[in-house]
Amino acid sequence: SQKIEQNSEALNIQEGKTATLTCNYTNYSPAYLQWYRQDPGRGPVFLLLIRENEKEKRKERLKVTFDTTLKQSLFHITASQPADSATYLCALGRYQKVTFGTGTKLQVIP
Amino acid sequence: EAGVAQSPRYKIIEKRQSVAFWCNPISGHATLYWYQQILGQGPKLLIQFQNNGVVDDSQLPKDRFSAERLKGVDSTLKIQPAKLEDSAVYLCASSLKGEYQETQYFGPGTRLLVL
Repeated sequence: SQKIEQNSEALNIQEGKTATLTCNYTNYSPAYLQWYRQDPGRGPVFLLLIRENEKEKRKERLKVTFDTTLKQSLFHITASQPADSATYLCALGRYQKVTFGTGTKLQVIP
Repeated sequence: EAGVAQSPRYKIIEKRQSVAFWCNPISGHATLYWYQQILGQGPKLLIQFQNNGVVDDSQLPKDRFSAERLKGVDSTLKIQPAKLEDSAVYLCASSLKGEYQETQYFGPGTRLLVL
């Protein structure tokens, strides 16, 4: 069965550094991948989408890469700030169906 | 633009009781989703509506869960009877047309605790 893996342990980084979150998948061939941010007590908020034929996407301080050979997506936040602290979810999509990973909790330390 | 509204925000019930959650999607959005998010896990799709028709309910435990979307706008998700393992956050999301690669907009969720 398809499996989506994100770091289950929280990621702690110093303010100003680049945070890198990983999303690995098996037994799946997604046509696209989305990244969402989820704050405590709130629903996920869409951040970025990358398609299977794209290698990299950028939006302000965010960068996403998508390697279909490695079956992996990396999500980078440059010049991280305490306000970036949240749980980040990757979601793999094919046709209209999207499947979410378990999320990685990011803590940016001032 | 108003976001996705959900109520109640919190609910505590005894096992074997019934409970209902309500969702009002973003105006004009044809597609509505209900997700279950257990603590420490990602959202799991329970049911997807396109207008008032069901597109996908393959992961909905139909012996106890039911959902409807009358008139293709608001939706209600019901659990009857509830089990301990139903304790979770129930998220409602909507999208404009439910098309390929489309962004989903989530509500704040309803946190359910079954005792």
